Amino acid sequence: AQRVTQPEKLLSVFKGAPVELKCNYSYSGSPELFWYVQYSRQRLQLLLRHISRESIKGFTADLNKGETSFHLKKPFAQEEDSAMYYCALSGLTGGGNKLTFGTGTQLKVEL
Amino acid sequence: NAGVTQTPKFRVLKTGQSMTLLCAQDMNHEYMYWYRQDPGMGLRLIHYSVGEGTTAKGEVPDGYNVSRLKKQNFLLGLESAAPSQTSVYFCASRSGQGADTQYFGPGTRLTVL
Repeated sequence: AQRVTQPEKLLSVFKGAPVELKCNYSYSGSPELFWYVQYSRQRLQLLLRHISRESIKGFTADLNKGETSFHLKKPFAQEEDSAMYYCALSGLTGGGNKLTFGTGTQLKVEL
Repeated sequence: NAGVTQTPKFRVLKTGQSMTLLCAQDMNHEYMYWYRQDPGMGLRLIHYSVGEGTTAKGEVPDGYNVSRLKKQNFLLGLESAAPSQTSVYFCASRSGQGADTQYFGPGTRLTVL
């Protein structure tokens, strides 16, 4: 079984402060991990995926297989980063790639 | 390209009524998905399809049925709506060619009274 855990429902930081959104996963195979973001009243969109090893909007995430974590980080939070963030894992169960989502973390950046 | 679209955007039903949610994508994607989003529970997969004419159950399929008669459309049906089905429903599609990025629709907000 695959599982994604996001321990924080809400994370509140001040503008300019560092941000770390935690994500831990459980999966027996080799996982593919993603971060999706949902801005207020908008659809979910892909923020980044671990295999791309890229930085999007200043966010990065490193897959740590030893700690089974894929935390999302940004050194300096901006007001426009306020959104709901979902960590997701892709597995090859059942013949079709499915995404298992965490429960999400609401990031609030205060001025 | 419109991407992934969903119809309707909002709907209010009475307990026991039925309805169908339509998802359409114009990206020629093979894989399509239906999720529900509830506070504190994230997104949970209801049903999915790996190609035209195929469907499969997800994590929370009870009370829902789906059909994929055409590649571009994925319908989600509620035969007898219950208040527990009050949720925001998202459709998503994926190319199925090794790229795992799912593209989401704007969502349908359903309230069952």
